[in-house]
Amino acid sequence: GENVEQHPSTLSVQEGDSAVIKCTYSDSASNYFPWYKQELGKGPQLIIDIRSNVGEKKDQRIAVTLNKTAKHFSLHITETQPEDSAVYFCAAITGGFKTIFGAGTRLFVKA
Amino acid sequence: GAVVSQHPSWVICKSGTSVKIECRSLDFQATTMFWYRQFPKQSLMLMATSNEGSKATYEQGVEKDKFLINHASLTLSTLTVTSAHPEDSSFYICSARDPGKGNEQFFGPGTRLTVL
Repeated sequence: GENVEQHPSTLSVQEGDSAVIKCTYSDSASNYFPWYKQELGKGPQLIIDIRSNVGEKKDQRIAVTLNKTAKHFSLHITETQPEDSAVYFCAAITGGFKTIFGAGTRLFVKA
Repeated sequence: GAVVSQHPSWVICKSGTSVKIECRSLDFQATTMFWYRQFPKQSLMLMATSNEGSKATYEQGVEKDKFLINHASLTLSTLTVTSAHPEDSSFYICSARDPGKGNEQFFGPGTRLTVL
């Protein structure tokens, strides 16, 4: 069945450094790839997304890249801040709107 | 825009009772809503897809008779956990799709269910 693998499961960086989270999906029909940030006790919040016809998208300190051939997509956070500390989930969605989530990455930004 | 609310935000109940969780899209009409369950330090697992005016589509392994889903209007879907047991304790999250915004889903804040 459909699967999304996410690495690493935990990431600790110093404030100001960059953080990179990588995901791989299995369903070649996936065409939409959102990234969510989830803080403790709250629902996921969309932070950035990318569609299958685009290779890269940037929004201030956050960027996402997509390699359709390799079925890889990555989240890049630059100039990390303590408030970036949270759990980040990648996801892949097919035309049927079924969302498959990665296992999550717990990001710690040390001040 | 695109706000999704859930009620209650947390609930504690006794084993054997039923609990209803509401999911509302506040500023858009959601033809499709999704229900997820999330155990501590784990990812979101899709339980079912709820389409307005029709029966929900349940994922493999999710008991239809235990997790009753009703999507009676374009802004409201409910999840009822029937005869709850301690193993049903979890964080339940709904999301709604805004037809005007393609594939994007908007998530509610979640409901923490604790069954004693």
